[in-house]
Amino acid sequence: EVQLLESGGGLVQPGGSLRLSCAASGFTFSNCIMNWVRQAPGKGLEWISVITTSGSSTYYADSVKGRFTISRDNSKNTLSLQMNGLRPDDTAIYYCAGHRGNTYGPFDDWGQGTLVTVSS
Amino acid sequence: EIVLTQSPGTLSLSPGERATLSCRASQSVAHNYLAWYQHKPGQAPRLLFYGASIRIAGIPDRFSGSGSGTDFTLTIRRLEPEDFAVYYCQLYGDSPPLHTFGQGTKLEIK
Repeated sequence: EVQLLESGGGLVQPGGSLRLSCAASGFTFSNCIMNWVRQAPGKGLEWISVITTSGSSTYYADSVKGRFTISRDNSKNTLSLQMNGLRPDDTAIYYCAGHRGNTYGPFDDWGQGTLVTVSS
Repeated sequence: EIVLTQSPGTLSLSPGERATLSCRASQSVAHNYLAWYQHKPGQAPRLLFYGASIRIAGIPDRFSGSGSGTDFTLTIRRLEPEDFAVYYCQLYGDSPPLHTFGQGTKLEIK
């Protein structure tokens, strides 16, 4: 069974940092392009970052560029998101999502999400 | 950058009725690289269609996707109670990728 399990969310002060993780199981993680997507309270889904299968290429939405860094460890089947310079408008549920292939395809699999709250 | 606009924002219908959800792109979507997702509160979003009309295995055939170019539609033929959720369209496949989502359509029970 395909499973994506996010962790690392919590309450952080504005300007602070947080590192999210996504543990993958039930599929060949190294063959999948992975993404982070977030949903702010009362808002829709927002794609924020993608990383290729090898980790050699990464892309970001303008809203997080320069503050967030996506990475992966294929030996540990883990996706990460380092979030620095957090702002109140970064408050959201953060989902990891994967495409089962080496193209920028649709998101076949999703985790349940982890909540990040940025507040003083 | 392509912007996706979904309409209506909220759709109030009764079980058994037909739902028609629209997703309009500000520019033509290459190769019809458009996906639809269903999202229920407290759950992970679920991929329904890719390529505008290719149904994911396990999705009931009362769901259908159609369209090309700039206009896309998700149709649910006879609503079941479990179909009430928020539905999103999404672009994919660009390089560099900008996996833009539409703002969503909330399908609620009337």
